[in-house]
Formats: sequence, structure tokens, C-alpha cells
Amino acid sequence: DTEVTQTPKHLVMGMTNKKSLKCEQHMGHRAMYWYKQKAKKPPELMFVYSYEKLSINESVPSRFSPECPNSSLLNLHLHALQPEDSALYLCASSQERRNTDTQYFGPGTRLTVL
Amino acid sequence: LAKTTQPISMDSYEGQEVNITCSHNNIATNDYITWYQQFPSQGPRFIIQGYKTKVTNEVASLFIPADRKSSTLSLPRVSLSDTAVYYCLLRNSGNTPLVFGKGTRLSVIA
Repeated sequence: DTEVTQTPKHLVMGMTNKKSLKCEQHMGHRAMYWYKQKAKKPPELMFVYSYEKLSINESVPSRFSPECPNSSLLNLHLHALQPEDSALYLCASSQERRNTDTQYFGPGTRLTVL
Repeated sequence: LAKTTQPISMDSYEGQEVNITCSHNNIATNDYITWYQQFPSQGPRFIIQGYKTKVTNEVASLFIPADRKSSTLSLPRVSLSDTAVYYCLLRNSGNTPLVFGKGTRLSVIA
């Protein structure tokens, strides 16, 4: 099973809402990632978790709050977002956090902030 | 972080071989060259990775010259379903994050 699943597929929220994105993998991977991708742009790394601990935060605004409840799950909590935060949010996982390891990506959550 | 340069877009007819070249003049000794494919509204998918000379798998071939300042992804006999964005990335054995460049948008025409 080389699948990373993400829910929901689509999310529309207002600027005062609180919502969460969920990601799950059952490949036994120890590293998990959140990326943000705007239309016709490459994915941009947001956060990296290694062995359930946050190891990289690419200066992401605090309105984005990651959480790794266990080695298979990764959440991204959203609060007080801005319209410019509308994007495709991608989750990925890999065996380790070394860059030579293949990253497996989920299908993404399409987020629209009104 | 080392950077890569790729053509912004390419067009090809079905059945042709497509070669996408990536320039990475500042590649470091411990950098690997990795290619990902991304279809619209989907996550990127790993295609191939190499360090030097030639690597081949069931999907593509990767050619890397001796100076490693460039690399070429070769897709044999493309079909319409190969229409996607192809990203060339440099990855090293350290703990630096994966950085995507602008990618090459390949359009396959019938």
C-alpha cells in the first residue's frame, strides 16, 4: 500500500472559521510533510514532522497549526485564514527525513477561503 | 539551496520520445537528481532518481553527464496520459527540505 489519503478533498471556509485538514498513511513512514501549492506554481514546503516531532517550519504564519497525533496521522489546523491562503494543500510521507528517500504525496485538499 | 532550470513548456506528438533537460550548474557533490510528475489537481509522483551516468526504470530513463551540471529525463513513446508537469529537483543526504522548481509543462498531442 503506497497510498497517502487526505480529507476533505474540497473545503470552503470563511475567514473566521476554524477547520482541519487530515492526512493518513499506513506505509510505516516516519516523516510527514505539508506543502502548499497555488495555481500553476510548484509546491512549497510548509512543515516537516520526523518521528512525530516538528522538525521544520518554513516560517509559516501561526494561523496554520500542524499536529501529528501518531506516526500515521498528520493534521493541519486552520484558523482566521485569508483569501490568499486559498490553494491546494498537499500531504506527503517518506521513510525517513533524508532527501534521498522517495516522498509519496496525497491527492491534496483544495481550500477556498472566502 | 542549489537551483535547477528547466524549459517552461514542451509539446510532443503521441508516440514520440520526449527529452526534458534540466540545468543544475551548482550541483553539490552529495546531491542526487530526482524527477517528479504532477497531473492537474493531484500530488506529485516520483518518477526516477540518479547520481551519475544512466538510470532506467519502467517509466523513464535519466541521463547524467560526467560533470553532472545537467541531466535529461527521457520518456519513451509518450501518450496523451503523459501530459503533466515534470519537476527536476536536487536532493542531498543531509536534512535540507525538498525544493520544487518551476517545472516543465509537457503537452502531448494526438
